[in-house]
Amino acid sequence: DSGVTQTPKHLITATGQRVTLRCSPRSGDLSVYWYQQSLDQGLQFLIQYYNGEERAKGNILERFSAQQFPDLHSELNLSSLELGDSALYFCASSVENSPLHFGNGTRLTVT
Amino acid sequence: DAKTTQPPSMDCAEGRAANLPCNHSTISGNEYVYWYRQIHSQGPQYIIHGLKNNETNEMASLIITEDRKSSTLILPHATLRDTAVYYCIVRPWGGNNRLAFGKGNQVVVIP
Repeated sequence: DSGVTQTPKHLITATGQRVTLRCSPRSGDLSVYWYQQSLDQGLQFLIQYYNGEERAKGNILERFSAQQFPDLHSELNLSSLELGDSALYFCASSVENSPLHFGNGTRLTVT
Repeated sequence: DAKTTQPPSMDCAEGRAANLPCNHSTISGNEYVYWYRQIHSQGPQYIIHGLKNNETNEMASLIITEDRKSSTLILPHATLRDTAVYYCIVRPWGGNNRLAFGKGNQVVVIP
């Protein structure tokens, strides 16, 4: 158990809809990272937050947004969903310069 | 980020040591070598990391060549539960702490 909790485990929704994925980092970790893993793209970095502030952005679409709250949990919001957004979404957390620890992901299926 | 090269796949015999190679010929002086593995769509699991000295923990050993252009992850007694995709990643100390995953090495432990 990595200590990183992601909910829900599975999500099935229709095209055009909006969903929110939630991540609770390990106790004491200030950084949260979001990754997307689809079959043809591998693990792609989306965005990083550190203590509530956005720190780095990767290949995140404009339809996607994230935030980190004062209690350090994070949410990834995906809107105007398309079939191609179907993927596993992983959250990871770390303290500065330490290894990232990943949750077990949310599997999103867009129909 | 410096890139790494791994074989796309390899088989290992159960109970024997598994030696997983990785080339990182363009690694910079402040970049660490990290190893993660992903078991069947679970979240990536941190294994070990190192800068230039060999490292060992309860999961594995990491051998880094003197010129730091390559490394080997050693699983001392491979079990069927070690079947996974193994990722070798170089990551700078400080700055942006995100991990850039490549395609990894699909390791299958055979009974």
